[in-house]
Amino acid sequence: KAGVTQTPRYLIKTRGQQVTLSCSPISGHRSVSWYQQTPGQGLQFLFEYFSETQRNKGNFPGRFSGRQFSNSRSEMNVSTLELGDSALYLCASSFDIQSMNTEAFFGQGTRLTVV
Amino acid sequence: AQSVTQLDSQVPVFEEAPVELRCNYSSSVSVYLFWYVQYPNQGLQLLLKYLSGSTLVESINGFEAEFNKSQTSFHLRKPSVHISDTAEYFCAVRGPGTALIFGKGTTLSVSS
Repeated sequence: KAGVTQTPRYLIKTRGQQVTLSCSPISGHRSVSWYQQTPGQGLQFLFEYFSETQRNKGNFPGRFSGRQFSNSRSEMNVSTLELGDSALYLCASSFDIQSMNTEAFFGQGTRLTVV
Repeated sequence: AQSVTQLDSQVPVFEEAPVELRCNYSSSVSVYLFWYVQYPNQGLQLLLKYLSGSTLVESINGFEAEFNKSQTSFHLRKPSVHISDTAEYFCAVRGPGTALIFGKGTTLSVSS
C-alpha cells in the first residue's frame, strides 16, 4: 500500500512569488491535513480537509490556502512568498475525521526555501 | 481549544540510560493524546496513543507513556535508550471535531 506522497520534495522560490504544493493521500483516506514545520516552532497546523471541504483552519494569513479534489488529493498554495515561509511543509492523511483516535499518516514533506 | 507544551526542547542522554520526555496538555474537554517520532530526513510516525482505559500505554519499541488526568500530562519514557532512538519526538492532542495539534518537539540525542 503506497504511503502519503508529497511533490515536489524540494523547492526554491524568490520572495514575492507563489508556490503550489501537492499531496496524494493513502488510497481510501478521505482526510488531508497540512502542517508547517520550522526549527523551534514544531508543527503548526495550517488546514484540514475532508471530502473536499475545509473542516479546520489554523492561524495563518490568507496568503496560505488549500483545496481538496474529489479523488482526495490536496494542494496548498502560498502567494506573495516571504523569507519566513521557508519551512518543511508536511501533509498527513487519515481515513476520516469522525473519530478522534484516527491515526494520521505523514508524507516526507516538501522543503520550501524562499530567497 | 487544545494546546500542548513540551517542557524540554533538547534531551541529551547516554546509551542504555533511562529517559523521560515531558508533555503537558490543556483542554476543557476530553481529548486523545499521541506521541509521534521523526527520524532525520523522514516524516512523522505514530509511536503510541492514549484513547481510554489503562493510563499506561506501550509501544512496540520499548517506549511507554502514562496519562495523568489530574496533572494533565502525558510523559514519554524508556528505561534504556539506544543510539537508534535519536530523533525528534512530538506530543499531540486531538479534541472533538478539532485537528491534531502538536507541541514544539523534543530532540532526543543518544550518545555512546
